[in-house]
Amino acid sequence: DTEVTQTPKHLVMGMTNKKSLKCEQHMGHRAMYWYKQKAKKPPELMFVYSYEKLSINESVPSRFSPECPNSSLLNLHLHALQPEDSALYLCASSQGPGDQPQHFGDGTRLSIL
Amino acid sequence: DQQVKQNSPSLSVQEGRISILNCDYTNSMFDYFLWYKKYPAEGPTFLISISSIKDKNEDGRFTVFLNKSAKHLSLHIVPSQPGDSAVYFCAAIIYQGGKLIFGQGTELSVKP
Repeated sequence: DTEVTQTPKHLVMGMTNKKSLKCEQHMGHRAMYWYKQKAKKPPELMFVYSYEKLSINESVPSRFSPECPNSSLLNLHLHALQPEDSALYLCASSQGPGDQPQHFGDGTRLSIL
Repeated sequence: DQQVKQNSPSLSVQEGRISILNCDYTNSMFDYFLWYKKYPAEGPTFLISISSIKDKNEDGRFTVFLNKSAKHLSLHIVPSQPGDSAVYFCAAIIYQGGKLIFGQGTELSVKP
């Protein structure tokens, strides 16, 4: 059982839609991460939240908007995505900022039509 | 510039034998290394890690070896089991400051 839960597991959306990905952890971790993984490629970091504050944005386009409503929840709001944004989006958490290991959820498989 | 490299995209091993997965890195500032396993339709699962102050770490069937002078680490799985068939990612980080950098992954297939 994964301790980081991501919903939905699959999402298909058009380029004009607005949708959100959700991530939840109840391990008391204070750092949470969003990664993007394309097929046959390694995960690539997008955002890091430390103590519910955005600490790292890896130059991600503004059509991806992260939000951390509380210490257990992490959202990724999506708007006006492009077909090349189709990928697996992974959420992870760690005990504290910079602590390892990071624990990953099973991801949301996103397809942009 | 790929800082963490896994040069073998795939590896096939017979059940019961040893699996050796290799990883090279270029950034000498990396001081902590991790191995993750990933099954299809699941997220990466942490397997084992090693700090740069050690050259070996063991956990059951899994052993990670670090050769700092060669900037090389390897994961040994003994004995290999069919359930070990997955993609294995090597990752490196400058602890407490940097971001986790993943290699391209090696797909391990353990045949009965």
